[in-house]
Amino acid sequence: GAVVSQHPSRVICKSGTSVKIECRSLDFQATTMFWYRQFPKKSLMLMATSNEGSKATYEQGVEKDKFLINHASLTLSTLTVTSAHPEDSSFYICSANSWGKGDNYGYTFGSGTRLTVV
Amino acid sequence: SQQGEEDPQALSIQEGENATMNCSYKTSINNLQWYRQNSGRGLVHLILIRSNEREKHSGRLRVTLDTSKKSSSLLITASRAADTASYFCATDPRAYKYIFGTGTRLKVLA
Repeated sequence: GAVVSQHPSRVICKSGTSVKIECRSLDFQATTMFWYRQFPKKSLMLMATSNEGSKATYEQGVEKDKFLINHASLTLSTLTVTSAHPEDSSFYICSANSWGKGDNYGYTFGSGTRLTVV
Repeated sequence: SQQGEEDPQALSIQEGENATMNCSYKTSINNLQWYRQNSGRGLVHLILIRSNEREKHSGRLRVTLDTSKKSSSLLITASRAADTASYFCATDPRAYKYIFGTGTRLKVLA
């Protein structure tokens, strides 16, 4: 089946610093990956679509300079939260387009990253 | 805004009982998926139902889809404590961009 690895699972950083989150497809190539943000006890909000070899597409209201996305290879997308502030604290989850791979016929999700900005 | 809304928002049942949660959405879709999320963890895909399907089973899970009403239901039979989690439906109003519903928090009491 399709597996997506997300790292780190938890990170605590100081205000003003930047944090990079990695999303890797382990056994398949993913030309498209998605980044979601989830607030406590809330649903997932799509932040951006990461396309291999091209610029990411951001959803309305998401600051592209704040959340830098790089999809430099077919198996890796990174999300960098720049100049993090406490309000950026959240659970971030990536997913990769895994159509035809594994048995989920669609998207495989990473295990998520809990970001806490202090 | 969210494409889907789950109902109820929270559900508490005894082990062995059935749990039913509903999802409503707004626009036409190609398929609908249900996911489970344990607290603070990633999402686990449960089942996908295509727009031309009305019902689908997977183990103790039964999903129905009514495209005329733009709604879907997830039934978990003979629930177990391990089923305690949040359940989300996800629809694809835009190709390859799944929109998640608000979720149902299920608690199964042993």
